[in-house]
Amino acid sequence: ETGVTQTPRHLVMGMTNKKSLKCEQHLGHNAMYWYKQSAKKPLELMFVYSLEERVENNSVPSRFSPECPNSSHLFLHLHTLQPEDSALYLCASSQEGVAGGNTDTQYFGPGTRLTVL
Amino acid sequence: DQQVKQNSPSLSVQEGRISILNCDYTNSMFDYFLWYKKYPAEGPTFLISISSIKDKNEDGRFTVFLNKSAKHLSLHIVPSQPGDSAVYFCAATPSNSNSGYALNFGKGTSLLVTP
Repeated sequence: ETGVTQTPRHLVMGMTNKKSLKCEQHLGHNAMYWYKQSAKKPLELMFVYSLEERVENNSVPSRFSPECPNSSHLFLHLHTLQPEDSALYLCASSQEGVAGGNTDTQYFGPGTRLTVL
Repeated sequence: DQQVKQNSPSLSVQEGRISILNCDYTNSMFDYFLWYKKYPAEGPTFLISISSIKDKNEDGRFTVFLNKSAKHLSLHIVPSQPGDSAVYFCAATPSNSNSGYALNFGKGTSLLVTP
């Protein structure tokens, strides 16, 4: 499935840097998600946007700031991160968003491997 | 506190045999379950799902079984093929999004199918 793309694929940053992760979906979906996968841990939901409106923020620290300018694009702005934030960050999208409940299939991008030094 | 558990980090099966991947959950609000498959350097891809109103769902070589009383589900792959070698993630969620939107994932089981 190549309908969800993420850039960059790899990112190394210092704790004082500011960077952004980008996700784009070409599937015409209404909802987009950010997930984090740390080593030896399951995927954890960070944020959900439905029709460009944030509908869930899963107790994520403010050093992670999402932005959804339209239904096809999702950003994750990063600033003053910590080494423990090093992880694989995955973006996903689904067709219906809020209206679809939780049975809507989510399509994932390939992820951005982030390393914080 | 992990609500979805995949207790086997890895599994090795011979080509042509059955692969059985197991998953346990603790939250009785979960009524929709999914399996995702992940190859290296790719994102997870949806494989098969099951609603709690059923105890079995089949799609080609893949069958998911759900035992609600035991809070257990399993994925059967028959016959297994080398291309099935990947990490398999179990996920569970309440179907009603009033409880939130999280898909709760297990840590994954790495399946290796040997020729």
